[in-house]
Amino acid sequence: EVQLVESGGGLVQPGGSLRLSCAASGFTFSSYWMSWVRQAPGKGLEWVANIKQDGSEKYYVDSVKGRFTISRDNAKNSLYLQMNSLRAEDTAVYYCARDSDLGYCSGGSCYSYGWFDPWGQGTLVTVSS
Amino acid sequence: QSALTQPASVSGSPGQSITISCTGTSSDVGSYNLVSWYQQHPGKAPKLMIYEGSKRPSGVSNRFSGSKSGNTASLTISGLQAEDEADYYCCSYAGSSRRVFGGGTKLTVL
Repeated sequence: EVQLVESGGGLVQPGGSLRLSCAASGFTFSSYWMSWVRQAPGKGLEWVANIKQDGSEKYYVDSVKGRFTISRDNAKNSLYLQMNSLRAEDTAVYYCARDSDLGYCSGGSCYSYGWFDPWGQGTLVTVSS
Repeated sequence: QSALTQPASVSGSPGQSITISCTGTSSDVGSYNLVSWYQQHPGKAPKLMIYEGSKRPSGVSNRFSGSKSGNTASLTISGLQAEDEADYYCCSYAGSSRRVFGGGTKLTVL
């Protein structure tokens, strides 16, 4: 069974840092792009970041660029999200999601373009003083 | 990147059909046949229902179908059942690995 399990969420003060983890099982982790998607309380979904199979390409939504870093360890079948300089508006449930095994390369960069399946159960990050 | 536009809510009676629209721009929905749809029950993780505009993953009922015309994608659910009551989100590829979601539509089965 394909499974994604997030951990590392919690309460943090504005300006603080937090590192989320996602443990993958049931599929060949190193064959897939992986993404983080978040959902603020009572709000919709927002794609946050994704990372190529070998970790060589990373992309972020504008609102987290320079503050969040996505990474992965294929030997441990794990995905990470390092979140620094946290703001109140970063408060959300953060989901780990398997992205595509598809991609294309153009102009020296490679991109994923697929769908998200499956998703983890999510981990809640609350930024508040 | 602005969110895709979905109606806030739709409703239907058991057995009826409903359609949820998802309007984007020529930079996302209109440029790619890469819209996906997700179902989310309260307190649960989203579940993929449709990918590449109209394809169903294994295990998803054929009562769910997707289509696209221009900058607008649509999800149709036929033969509504009580368990279909949930939030539904569309998502489109927007270039350079970026994805953009719709604001979500709450489906109520009357």
